[in-house]
Amino acid sequence: GAVVSQHPSRVICKSGTSVKIECRSLDFQATTMFWYRQFPKQSLMLMATSNEGSKATYEQGVEKDKFLINHASLTLSTLTVTSAHPEDSSFYICSARPLAAPYEQYFGPGTRLTVT
Amino acid sequence: DAKTTQPNSMESNEEEPVHLPCNHSTISGTDYIHWYRQLPSQGPEYVIHGLTSNVNNRMASLAIAEDRKSSTLILHRATLRDAAVYYCIQGISNFGNEKLTFGTGTRLTIIP
Repeated sequence: GAVVSQHPSRVICKSGTSVKIECRSLDFQATTMFWYRQFPKQSLMLMATSNEGSKATYEQGVEKDKFLINHASLTLSTLTVTSAHPEDSSFYICSARPLAAPYEQYFGPGTRLTVT
Repeated sequence: DAKTTQPNSMESNEEEPVHLPCNHSTISGTDYIHWYRQLPSQGPEYVIHGLTSNVNNRMASLAIAEDRKSSTLILHRATLRDAAVYYCIQGISNFGNEKLTFGTGTRLTIIP
């Protein structure tokens, strides 16, 4: 149980285009989902917290107009990187907090974004 | 942000117990202690969490000091699949939404 999927697993896009990453909790409902970014050889950095049906809360220094988050249902959140630039190339990871286990988070496998 | 302190790296022999230490001296009464591990190019995997009492699950045990300023993750019998970066995280309650702030973690190497 407690499986989180992400799609796509890898994406390459040209500079200036937008990319959407999906995060789904497959076997549980999650009111809260989180988006992280991880650069090579670094730790995960929390970008934003999203609650189903409300606006995401962004961490300091994260541009909300660049990283659009939509949490449309209890099992789906999306992150759209708009007008991507090479410096946005990173490993993006989502996590979901089960309704039934509010002190646990389950992570997706990550999405490797490369902007050329 | 709550900061935990962990050794950068540790080594252990296969099939022996592993004790991974963590200091969280700024912990408050309602902050949980979480442990996750991450393999290269994968998302973190939940290991265990606790508040005050020691905790056991099928993956590991978590021993929490009486003053809660430190904890130890115990893998009872290490296998090669346990080689990963282990993160000890002090969960900060945020209007009912607990946030996890990842530090640099401990890179655990298992020696066959």
